[in-house]
Amino acid sequence: DIQMTQSPSSLSASVGDRVTITCQASQDISNYLNWYQQKPGKAPKLLIYDASNLETGVPSRFSGSGSGTDFTFTISSLQPEDIATYYCQQYDNLPRLTFGGGTKVEIK
Amino acid sequence: QVQLQESGPGLVKPSETLSLTCAVSGYSISSGYYWGWIRQPPGKGLEWIGSIYHSGSTYYNPSLKSRVTISVDTSKNQFSLKLSSVTAADTAVYYCVGNGGGGGEGALDYWGQGTLVTVSS
Repeated sequence: DIQMTQSPSSLSASVGDRVTITCQASQDISNYLNWYQQKPGKAPKLLIYDASNLETGVPSRFSGSGSGTDFTFTISSLQPEDIATYYCQQYDNLPRLTFGGGTKVEIK
Repeated sequence: QVQLQESGPGLVKPSETLSLTCAVSGYSISSGYYWGWIRQPPGKGLEWIGSIYHSGSTYYNPSLKSRVTISVDTSKNQFSLKLSSVTAADTAVYYCVGNGGGGGEGALDYWGQGTLVTVSS
């Protein structure tokens, strides 16, 4: 099974800061990686698909990069409404889907 | 606008079968590439349970495979989850999900609001 390791598990940053989350796959998954945002009490929402493509309607301060085993998710300027837990998800062995453990983002 | 809505009992007794239904509106279930279920134990991460494709083929998480059944009712535009022999470890928020938007074949474009199922006597 492909394992997805996200880091950090939590972070605290100030409004306007650049925030970076990493996701490492246990084997090469090409660009078969998505990122989701989950706000408290809500369902996850797709933000980035295929490693770097911004979902329609998602603010441009969110971005993703990477391929192979190492991926990065970035918020260029953290906003109060970005408080959430972020998950990566691989689909290299579709139909199986595997999620990372999540990164909780808080405001300092 | 595509909407998914889970329904089913919020409390299930140990050893019994958990049954949930997901009603899809604003989108023909026959048009989507695949539909499925994700769960999230309280305070924990996301776990894929299984998916059913437009072909009718089903795929399940190996850790749950012996207990899971996902089916589709195209006439009602809904799909269902059955998880048998439940234990407290199956207590979670259960989300129905779908792929069929612009996010590529591996993306879960559509999510229900989630329903908490507690396993307890």
